[in-house]
Amino acid sequence: EVQLVQSGAEVKKPGESLKISCKGSGYSFSTYWIAWVRQMPGKGLEWMGVIFPADSETRYSPSFQGQVTISADKSISTAYLQWGSLKASDTAMYYCARHLYGTDWGQGTLVTVSS
Amino acid sequence: EIVLTQSPATLSLSPGERATLSCRASQSVSNRYLAWYQQKPGQAPRLLIYGASSRATGSPDRFSGSGSGTDFTLTISRLEPEDFAVYYCQQYGGSPYTFGQGTKLEIK
Repeated sequence: EVQLVQSGAEVKKPGESLKISCKGSGYSFSTYWIAWVRQMPGKGLEWMGVIFPADSETRYSPSFQGQVTISADKSISTAYLQWGSLKASDTAMYYCARHLYGTDWGQGTLVTVSS
Repeated sequence: EIVLTQSPATLSLSPGERATLSCRASQSVSNRYLAWYQQKPGQAPRLLIYGASSRATGSPDRFSGSGSGTDFTLTISRLEPEDFAVYYCQQYGGSPYTFGQGTKLEIK
Protein backbone atom coordinates (compact mmCIF):
# COMPACT_ATOMS: atom_id res chain seq x y z
CA GLU A 1 0.00 0.00 0.00
CA VAL A 2 1.34 3.41 -0.99
CA GLN A 3 1.53 5.81 1.95
CA LEU A 4 2.75 9.35 2.40
CA VAL A 5 3.09 10.26 6.06
CA GLN A 6 3.71 13.89 6.93
CA SER A 7 5.23 15.37 10.06
CA GLY A 8 3.01 16.83 12.76
CA ALA A 9 1.44 20.23 13.20
CA GLU A 10 3.73 23.16 13.95
CA VAL A 11 3.21 26.45 15.77
CA LYS A 12 5.91 29.01 15.06
CA LYS A 13 6.60 32.71 15.47
CA PRO A 14 7.24 35.09 12.58
CA GLY A 15 10.88 35.02 11.55
CA GLU A 16 11.49 31.46 12.72
CA SER A 17 12.66 28.69 10.41
CA LEU A 18 10.85 25.43 9.76
CA LYS A 19 11.31 22.17 7.88
CA ILE A 20 8.40 19.75 7.45
CA SER A 21 8.63 16.26 6.04
CA CYS A 22 6.79 13.70 3.93
CA LYS A 23 7.87 10.05 4.14
CA GLY A 24 6.88 7.70 1.36
CA SER A 25 6.44 3.96 1.61
CA GLY A 26 5.00 1.10 -0.42
CA TYR A 27 6.56 2.17 -3.70
CA SER A 28 9.90 3.11 -5.28
CA PHE A 29 10.28 6.55 -3.71
CA SER A 30 13.12 7.71 -5.98
CA THR A 31 11.20 7.26 -9.23
CA TYR A 32 8.10 9.34 -8.59
CA TRP A 33 7.79 13.10 -8.36
CA ILE A 34 6.70 14.50 -5.00
CA ALA A 35 4.72 17.75 -5.06
CA TRP A 36 3.95 20.22 -2.29
CA VAL A 37 0.57 21.96 -2.21
CA ARG A 38 -0.58 24.80 0.04
CA GLN A 39 -4.11 25.34 1.24
CA MET A 40 -4.69 28.50 3.23
CA PRO A 41 -7.63 28.52 5.65
CA GLY A 42 -10.90 28.32 3.75
CA LYS A 43 -9.16 28.64 0.38
CA GLY A 44 -8.26 26.51 -2.61
CA LEU A 45 -5.25 24.43 -3.54
CA GLU A 46 -2.02 26.12 -4.65
CA TRP A 47 0.77 24.20 -6.35
CA MET A 48 4.09 25.16 -4.77
CA GLY A 49 6.65 22.95 -6.46
CA VAL A 50 7.82 19.43 -7.13
CA ILE A 51 10.96 17.31 -6.76
CA PHE A 52 12.18 14.12 -8.44
CA PRO A 53 14.05 12.31 -5.65
CA ALA A 54 16.30 10.23 -7.93
CA ASP A 55 18.26 13.30 -9.09
CA SER A 56 16.69 16.07 -6.97
CA GLU A 57 15.44 17.96 -10.04
CA THR A 58 13.15 20.62 -8.62
CA ARG A 59 10.56 22.90 -10.20
CA TYR A 60 8.93 25.78 -8.35
CA SER A 61 5.89 27.91 -8.91
CA PRO A 62 7.03 31.52 -9.47
CA SER A 63 4.76 32.42 -6.54
CA PHE A 64 6.89 30.32 -4.18
CA GLN A 65 10.34 30.48 -5.80
CA GLY A 66 12.76 31.98 -3.28
CA GLN A 67 10.20 31.71 -0.47
CA VAL A 68 10.59 28.00 0.26
CA THR A 69 13.06 25.20 -0.44
CA ILE A 70 12.04 21.72 -1.53
CA SER A 71 14.48 18.88 -1.01
CA ALA A 72 14.53 15.10 -0.67
CA ASP A 73 16.66 12.37 0.89
CA LYS A 74 16.06 9.26 -1.19
CA SER A 75 18.04 7.12 1.28
CA ILE A 76 15.22 7.54 3.81
CA SER A 77 12.38 8.05 1.29
CA THR A 78 11.59 11.50 2.62
CA ALA A 79 10.83 14.83 0.99
CA TYR A 80 11.03 18.17 2.75
CA LEU A 81 9.59 21.66 2.56
CA GLN A 82 11.43 24.38 4.43
CA TRP A 83 11.24 28.06 5.22
CA GLY A 84 14.10 30.26 6.31
CA SER A 85 11.94 32.99 7.83
CA LEU A 86 8.24 32.37 8.37
CA LYS A 87 5.53 35.01 7.98
CA ALA A 88 2.01 35.05 9.36
CA SER A 89 0.79 34.59 5.78
CA ASP A 90 2.49 31.15 5.70
CA THR A 91 -0.23 29.88 8.03
CA ALA A 92 -1.83 27.05 6.07
CA MET A 93 -2.23 23.33 5.60
CA TYR A 94 0.57 21.86 3.51
CA TYR A 95 0.12 18.62 1.60
CA CYS A 96 2.60 16.42 -0.19
CA ALA A 97 1.41 14.33 -3.12
CA ARG A 98 2.93 11.60 -5.25
CA HIS A 99 3.35 12.08 -9.03
CA LEU A 100 2.81 15.18 -11.16
CA TYR A 101 -0.88 14.47 -10.74
CA GLY A 102 -1.49 13.51 -7.14
CA THR A 103 -2.24 9.80 -7.15
CA ASP A 104 -1.65 9.68 -3.40
CA TRP A 105 -1.62 12.40 -0.76
CA GLY A 106 -0.21 12.87 2.68
CA GLN A 107 -2.53 13.70 5.55
CA GLY A 108 -1.36 17.31 5.61
CA THR A 109 0.76 19.35 8.01
CA LEU A 110 -0.88 22.38 9.61
CA VAL A 111 1.56 25.24 10.02
CA THR A 112 0.47 28.14 12.23
CA VAL A 113 2.61 31.26 12.35
CA SER A 114 1.62 33.71 15.05
CA SER A 115 3.31 36.08 17.41
CA GLU B 1 1.82 30.07 -16.48
CA ILE B 2 -1.45 28.38 -17.40
CA VAL B 3 -4.43 29.83 -15.55
CA LEU B 4 -7.34 27.44 -14.98
CA THR B 5 -10.81 28.91 -14.51
CA GLN B 6 -13.49 26.64 -13.09
CA SER B 7 -17.20 27.25 -13.44
CA PRO B 8 -19.54 27.54 -11.84
CA ALA B 9 -18.05 28.55 -8.49
CA THR B 10 -20.98 26.84 -6.74
CA LEU B 11 -23.36 24.25 -8.15
CA SER B 12 -26.56 23.39 -6.27
CA LEU B 13 -28.11 20.06 -7.25
CA SER B 14 -30.08 17.22 -5.72
CA PRO B 15 -29.02 13.58 -5.30
CA GLY B 16 -29.74 11.62 -8.45
CA GLU B 17 -29.17 14.60 -10.75
CA ARG B 18 -26.36 14.97 -13.26
CA ALA B 19 -23.52 17.40 -12.52
CA THR B 20 -21.37 19.09 -15.15
CA LEU B 21 -18.29 21.00 -13.99
CA SER B 22 -16.13 23.05 -16.34
CA CYS B 23 -12.41 23.86 -16.34
CA ARG B 24 -11.09 26.30 -18.93
CA ALA B 25 -7.36 26.89 -19.49
CA SER B 26 -5.74 30.15 -20.57
CA GLN B 27 -3.67 28.18 -23.10
CA SER B 28 -3.74 24.69 -24.49
CA VAL B 29 -2.94 21.90 -22.02
CA SER B 30 -0.42 19.63 -23.68
CA ASN B 31 -1.17 15.93 -24.07
CA ARG B 32 -4.50 16.39 -22.24
CA TYR B 33 -2.54 16.42 -18.95
CA LEU B 34 -5.51 17.52 -16.88
CA ALA B 35 -6.57 15.98 -13.56
CA TRP B 36 -9.65 16.32 -11.37
CA TYR B 37 -9.76 16.02 -7.58
CA GLN B 38 -12.46 15.84 -4.95
CA GLN B 39 -11.92 17.37 -1.52
CA LYS B 40 -14.20 17.00 1.48
CA PRO B 41 -13.90 19.15 4.62
CA GLY B 42 -10.97 18.18 6.80
CA GLN B 43 -9.60 15.73 4.24
CA ALA B 44 -6.79 15.68 1.73
CA PRO B 45 -7.78 15.87 -1.93
CA ARG B 46 -8.51 12.62 -3.74
CA LEU B 47 -7.63 12.01 -7.38
CA LEU B 48 -10.65 11.19 -9.56
CA ILE B 49 -9.48 11.64 -13.16
CA TYR B 50 -6.09 12.03 -14.85
CA GLY B 51 -5.14 12.44 -18.49
CA ALA B 52 -8.45 14.30 -18.91
CA SER B 53 -10.51 11.11 -19.11
CA SER B 54 -8.81 8.22 -17.28
CA ARG B 55 -10.46 7.22 -14.03
CA ALA B 56 -8.13 6.83 -11.07
CA THR B 57 -8.04 3.59 -9.11
CA GLY B 58 -11.08 3.47 -6.87
CA SER B 59 -12.90 6.31 -8.62
CA PRO B 60 -16.56 5.31 -9.18
CA ASP B 61 -17.67 4.98 -12.81
CA ARG B 62 -20.30 7.69 -12.35
CA PHE B 63 -17.36 10.12 -12.61
CA SER B 64 -16.15 10.83 -16.14
CA GLY B 65 -13.85 13.40 -17.69
CA SER B 66 -13.66 14.80 -21.18
CA GLY B 67 -12.13 17.59 -23.19
CA SER B 68 -8.91 18.69 -24.81
CA GLY B 69 -7.00 21.85 -25.65
CA THR B 70 -8.41 24.53 -23.37
CA ASP B 71 -11.82 23.13 -22.41
CA PHE B 72 -12.36 20.25 -20.00
CA THR B 73 -15.39 18.82 -18.22
CA LEU B 74 -16.01 16.60 -15.22
CA THR B 75 -19.39 14.88 -15.30
CA ILE B 76 -21.02 13.04 -12.42
CA SER B 77 -23.80 11.01 -13.98
CA ARG B 78 -26.05 10.51 -10.94
CA LEU B 79 -25.16 12.33 -7.76
CA GLU B 80 -24.81 10.31 -4.59
CA PRO B 81 -24.93 12.00 -1.15
CA GLU B 82 -21.18 11.47 -0.71
CA ASP B 83 -20.41 13.41 -3.92
CA PHE B 84 -21.17 16.82 -2.40
CA ALA B 85 -17.72 18.34 -1.97
CA VAL B 86 -15.31 20.76 -3.63
CA TYR B 87 -13.78 19.78 -6.98
CA TYR B 88 -10.50 21.06 -8.40
CA CYS B 89 -8.89 20.69 -11.79
CA GLN B 90 -5.11 20.74 -12.24
CA GLN B 91 -2.97 20.86 -15.34
CA TYR B 92 0.38 19.07 -15.33
CA GLY B 93 1.34 19.66 -18.95
CA GLY B 94 3.67 22.52 -18.19
CA SER B 95 5.30 23.82 -15.02
CA PRO B 96 4.02 25.44 -12.85
CA TYR B 97 1.35 22.74 -12.58
CA THR B 98 -1.52 24.99 -11.60
CA PHE B 99 -4.88 24.30 -9.98
CA GLY B 100 -8.22 25.86 -10.73
CA GLN B 101 -9.95 27.78 -7.96
CA GLY B 102 -12.49 25.02 -7.31
CA THR B 103 -16.20 24.34 -7.74
CA LYS B 104 -18.28 23.69 -4.65
CA LEU B 105 -21.00 21.11 -5.29
CA GLU B 106 -23.71 21.58 -2.69
CA ILE B 107 -27.01 19.91 -1.94
CA LYS B 108 -30.03 21.80 -3.21
